[in-house]
Amino acid sequence: GQQVMQIPQYQHVQEGEDFTTYCNSSTTLSNIQWYKQRPGGHPVFLIQLVKSGEVKKQKRLTFQFGEAKKNSSLHITATQTTDVGTYFCAASPAGFGNEKLTFGTGTRLTIIP
Amino acid sequence: DSGVTQTPKHLITATGQRVTLRCSPRSGDLSVYWYQQSLDQGLQFLIQYYNGEERAKGNILERFSAQQFPDLHSELNLSSLELGDSALYFCASSVAPHGNTEAFFGQGTRLTVV
Repeated sequence: GQQVMQIPQYQHVQEGEDFTTYCNSSTTLSNIQWYKQRPGGHPVFLIQLVKSGEVKKQKRLTFQFGEAKKNSSLHITATQTTDVGTYFCAASPAGFGNEKLTFGTGTRLTIIP
Repeated sequence: DSGVTQTPKHLITATGQRVTLRCSPRSGDLSVYWYQQSLDQGLQFLIQYYNGEERAKGNILERFSAQQFPDLHSELNLSSLELGDSALYFCASSVAPHGNTEAFFGQGTRLTVV
């Protein structure tokens, strides 16, 4: 079945440094979504990417979808303490019956003040 | 507040027992997903329902079952519980049956099996 891997699993950065997490799928994707889960909280939707090569920005966050629609990245510029949490990508396979939203393994970001 | 309600928030039970977790989706959402999140782990997809029908199945154990009722709320039944079933169980809902629409998550039910 479809597997979605994320790297790194953990990332510790100094406040103000940049952060990037990568998501890779073994199959071509219909779309990719990104979620953030704060410590003790539930996943919250951040964004969805649909088109090959798509790039979207939300303030300090930049999301990219690969040309082959098999990988994606989330980049945070100048991290702040409010960015702490686990970032998950979630993907649906391309093709008919793309019902299942498979979550990546997640990247846990901690910020050193 | 995501609009998705899960009850109970916490549940402590003994091995071998059976429990039922309940989820009320966001108003207007027809699709319900169940996920299991073990300590410091990712989200494991269990099962999805759309408008009362099962649409997709993940690595759900045979001891687990779920259903979606006519009023669209869903229940996840876990039986013959084992210590390893201790986890956070999330329900999520979305408008469409397929996985390319935003999913809204509930606060989760933390199950502890002792």
